[in-house]
Amino acid sequence: DAGITQSPRHKVTETGTPVTLRCHQTENHRYMYWYRQDPGHGLRLIHYSYGVKDTDKGEVSDGYSVSRSKTEDFLLTLESATSSQTSVYFCAVGAGGNEQFFGPGTRLTVL
Amino acid sequence: QKEVEQDPGPLSVPEGAIVSLNCTYSNSAFQYFMWYRQYSRKGPELLMYTYSSGNKEDGRFTAQVDKSSKYISLFIRDSQPSDSATYLCAMTFGGGGNKLTFGTGTQLKVEL
Repeated sequence: DAGITQSPRHKVTETGTPVTLRCHQTENHRYMYWYRQDPGHGLRLIHYSYGVKDTDKGEVSDGYSVSRSKTEDFLLTLESATSSQTSVYFCAVGAGGNEQFFGPGTRLTVL
Repeated sequence: QKEVEQDPGPLSVPEGAIVSLNCTYSNSAFQYFMWYRQYSRKGPELLMYTYSSGNKEDGRFTAQVDKSSKYISLFIRDSQPSDSATYLCAMTFGGGGNKLTFGTGTQLKVEL
C-alpha cells in the first residue's frame, strides 16, 4: 500500500467551515497528489507537490489549498466548505516515474 | 468531450469468462498507460503499467495498447468473483511525476 495513510477517514462538516485533510507517507516519495472522486467524473486532480514547499494546481483547484512542509505530509485545506465539495478524496504518491500509488481515501460530507 | 472515454458498465460475467475492458483517448501525446483496480470503498490499486504499443501479460491479466487507434484494453482470463471491482484506465504524457488523466471506470461483477 506504499505506506500511505489518510486522516480523517470520514468527516461530516457544515457549509462554510474550514476543513483540513492529511496525507502521510512513510517511503519518502518526492511527488504527492490530491484527487477527488465523484460519480460520472472519475478521479480528478486537485493539487500536487513535487517537493517540500513546491506545489501546483490541478484540474479542479478552486476552493482548495495545499501545503507541504515535510516530505512525508501533504495537507489539503478546504477554506470554506461547500456542498459541491462533498466527495471522496484520495492522496497518491509517486517516486518520479509515471506510476502513482493511492491511499485509502477520505469520505467528506458537507451539509 | 473527455480526453479519456471508458464505458461505465456495469459489466456482469459468469465465473471463468474472459473479460475485455477498454478505453479510448483523444490526445496522441499520451505515452504511458495504466490500469487500476478499485474495490468498493477502497483506494485504487495499480494493476498494470505499459508504455509501448503491443501486449503485456501478468498472470491472468493482459494489457494491450494500440497507439495508432488511441485504444487500450485490459483482458482478464478465467475471471473470478474476487475480480469484481471497478477498473480505471489512466494515462500520462511521461517525463516522471506527471499528472495522470483517468477514465471514469468500468464496474465489473463476476458471478458464481
